[in-house]
Amino acid sequence: GAVVSQHPSWVICKSGTSVKIECRSLDFQATTMFWYRQFPKQSLMLMATSNEGSKATYEQGVEKDKFLINHASLTLSTLTVTSAHPEDSSFYICSARVLVLGSEAFFGQGTRLTVV
Amino acid sequence: QKEVEQNSGPLSVPEGAIASLNCTYSDRGSQSFFWYRQYSGKSPELIMFIYSNGDKEDGRFTAQLNKASQYVSLLIRDSQPSDSATYLCAVGPGGGFKTIFGAGTRLFVKA
Repeated sequence: GAVVSQHPSWVICKSGTSVKIECRSLDFQATTMFWYRQFPKQSLMLMATSNEGSKATYEQGVEKDKFLINHASLTLSTLTVTSAHPEDSSFYICSARVLVLGSEAFFGQGTRLTVV
Repeated sequence: QKEVEQNSGPLSVPEGAIASLNCTYSDRGSQSFFWYRQYSGKSPELIMFIYSNGDKEDGRFTAQLNKASQYVSLLIRDSQPSDSATYLCAVGPGGGFKTIFGAGTRLFVKA
């Protein structure tokens, strides 16, 4: 399968600071990337859909000003958690897919964010 | 009604047995169906995808799709302790690219 690299794999930050997470498709061009959040023992919750060169589409209840998404190229999308708070501590996962109907998504390794 | 439903489990099977995981979905227009495996603390990894009614086999895994019943399942033959994980069913709605995930079924294979 295709390779999606997510960085960093874990990060600890102080409350009030911002954290940037990168998601890169290494061997294919990802026209669409998805950002998920997963709390312990819960399923993936889609936060936003990111298309290269356009604004991200956020799911209901997700604050777009808090979770900034940039999809500057066909191989890179970033998620910035601004003014992080302890309740933002979670496992953040990106996935990428080629713009073909029905194509499978490939997941990054995930980023464990802990806000102290 | 949730868009993609799975029994949360845990489903416990003995080593060597067949594990059967089930998933139902609400959007009749769905066209693509995926099974992912997720180990604790790790990202999901794709096991299988299926687009057409019927069965699709890959090694010890068989995906079954019945669009009329809006039902998709995953069978794991000769279950191994290493198969113990959470299995996520995902459905691609017709006409769109957003994949909807079920909550996952935890599988425990006893040695």
